[in-house]
Amino acid sequence: AQSVTQLDSQVPVFEEAPVELRCNYSSSVSVYLFWYVQYPNQGLQLLLKYLSGSTLVKGINGFEAEFNKSQTSFHLRKPSVHISDTAEYFCAVRPRLYNTDKLIFGTGTRLQVFP
Amino acid sequence: EPEVTQTPSHQVTQMGQEVILRCVPISNHLYFYWYRQILGQKVEFLVSFYNNEISEKSEIFDDQFSVERPDGSNFTLKIRSTKLEDSAMYFCATHKLSDQETQYFGPGTRLLVL
Repeated sequence: AQSVTQLDSQVPVFEEAPVELRCNYSSSVSVYLFWYVQYPNQGLQLLLKYLSGSTLVKGINGFEAEFNKSQTSFHLRKPSVHISDTAEYFCAVRPRLYNTDKLIFGTGTRLQVFP
Repeated sequence: EPEVTQTPSHQVTQMGQEVILRCVPISNHLYFYWYRQILGQKVEFLVSFYNNEISEKSEIFDDQFSVERPDGSNFTLKIRSTKLEDSAMYFCATHKLSDQETQYFGPGTRLLVL
């Protein structure tokens, strides 16, 4: 079975400051890793994904994440946030198994950017 | 850019009533999913659907739930007899064959069972 832990339910940060949103996972098999963002009254939008290859992946809106297999982590970072980054961020995994493509989500982290 | 749409955006119903939540997938997407998020909890997988049949379902997806594509475009989730604990945000998601790792989500339907 798989599980995803996002330790920080809320992260307040000032505009132009760097931010890191933490994600750890547990799985008995290899996984694909994802970060989704949800802006108010909108659906979940894919920010970035790690499938294979380079452990540092870049996504939309200046976000990046690094896969660390030994620490089973996939933390999301941005060097300088904007007010418009205020949203809910979800980390998710998908087992690398032929018979499933469901996503398993964490509880989400609310990023609040202040002026 | 094409989007997944869901109707209604909000639904209030009495316990025991049937509800149907609707999703219009992106046009060339053939894989469909329902997820739900109870307030304050994780987004949870309910069911996946491909080629007019269920591919996978979670233990949440019991006999009270059903899915179908009634007209080849809409994808629906029916809850036959709603319970209080069915109150949640329900998300539809889809992906296309050539990009199976990227699921596109709709904005959700917020269901409140009284």
